[in-house]
Amino acid sequence: GQNIDQPTEMTATEGAIVQINCTYQTSGFNGLFWYQQHAGEAPTFLSYNVLDGLEEKGRFSSFLSRSKGYSYLLLKELQMKDSASYLCAVRDSNYQLIWGAGTKLIIKP
Amino acid sequence: IAGITQAPTSQILAAGRRMTLRCTQDMRHNAMYWYRQDLGLGLRLIHYSNTAGTTGKGEVPDGYSVSRANTDDFPLTLASAVPSQTSVYFCASSDSENNEQFFGPGTRLTVL
Repeated sequence: GQNIDQPTEMTATEGAIVQINCTYQTSGFNGLFWYQQHAGEAPTFLSYNVLDGLEEKGRFSSFLSRSKGYSYLLLKELQMKDSASYLCAVRDSNYQLIWGAGTKLIIKP
Repeated sequence: IAGITQAPTSQILAAGRRMTLRCTQDMRHNAMYWYRQDLGLGLRLIHYSNTAGTTGKGEVPDGYSVSRANTDDFPLTLASAVPSQTSVYFCASSDSENNEQFFGPGTRLTVL
């Protein structure tokens, strides 16, 4: 079967750095996405990785290791508005997205 | 319209009733998707359409049907609603199956 694993919940302090991990086992791999979802709202796109390595976009970075079936999302200089769920999704061999259950990130002052 | 709209925002429905959730996008995206999101589970794909006139089944298609008569609209129909279809439904679109998906605001459906 196909499986995406991420921690259910994490807590971090405003101004700090947090790393959210995602491991996957899917039938094929055609890219990995990270989305942010605030409570009661729709998911919004954050990042996309298809090759190994780090992609940096402002305060957010995403890393991929295809051989390990592993990705992480790194959030720097945390702000209260970063309190949200972060969803990891892998595009499989059929070009469909397989979604993790999401990691709820709680930011404390 | 800017982006993707969904209607209704929320709905309470008696079991056995028929219901259509509407989704419209103005970005001229070829691909559109319907997901359901339940607590503790990831988004699950119900149906998708890679281009107008074609549709396909996702992970959880049973009890749902879709149509794609034109590029902009992708309605989802529950022929006879059951309580297990209580969920938040998101419509999404992308300019191709290769690219990121943009999501509508969601429809919160409760089936009693």
